[in-house]
Amino acid sequence: AQSVTQLDSQVPVFEEAPVELRCNYSSSVSVYLFWYVQYPNQGLQLLLKYLSGSTLVKSINGFEAEFNKSQTSFHLRKPSVHISDTAEYFCAVSDDTGGFKTIFGAGTRLFVKA
Amino acid sequence: NAGVTQTPKFQVLKTGQSMTLQCAQDMNHEYMSWYRQDPGMGLRLIHYSVGAGITDQGEVPNGYNVSRSTTEDFPLRLLSAAPSQTSVYFCASRGIGRNTEAFFGQGTRLTVV
Repeated sequence: AQSVTQLDSQVPVFEEAPVELRCNYSSSVSVYLFWYVQYPNQGLQLLLKYLSGSTLVKSINGFEAEFNKSQTSFHLRKPSVHISDTAEYFCAVSDDTGGFKTIFGAGTRLFVKA
Repeated sequence: NAGVTQTPKFQVLKTGQSMTLQCAQDMNHEYMSWYRQDPGMGLRLIHYSVGAGITDQGEVPNGYNVSRSTTEDFPLRLLSAAPSQTSVYFCASRGIGRNTEAFFGQGTRLTVV
């Protein structure tokens, strides 16, 4: 079974500064990895995903994540954050058992300060 | 473009009461699931279903029942509410493959007093 560890529960950062949200997963033969974002009082929505191919994946709003198989990591980065990026971010992995469950990390709350 | 619809959005129950949280999706997804979200604990899987008539337990199933009589609907039943079930509940659906993204409802904030 898979597992996901998000190493930071909260990350405060000033507007226009870079940010990295860390995610590590347990290894498996094949891995599908996801980052979801949850804005206040809303459900989760997909930010980006790694399925195969290029290890660097990008979202439409400037986030990117790199799949690193040797370090079993899928860290999320943005070179310059905005106030509107304040949200909770969840890393997730598809389970490789028969149920194909999606396993989520505990979440990282990103606070962007003016 | 309804996606995943959850009702109600808010609910207050007294200990021992029962209720059903409704979830419906219009994307013809085979896979549906219920999560609860608690501070510092992320999303924990309660129950899931890979198709009509097929359900299975997640990591925190106790105190909850589910059924899946149609592809569209996946209700979650609390049989006898307890204060420990105070949480935000999310329903999600996706295609059956491991590489498919999950679509979430807006959540139900449940308080048990």
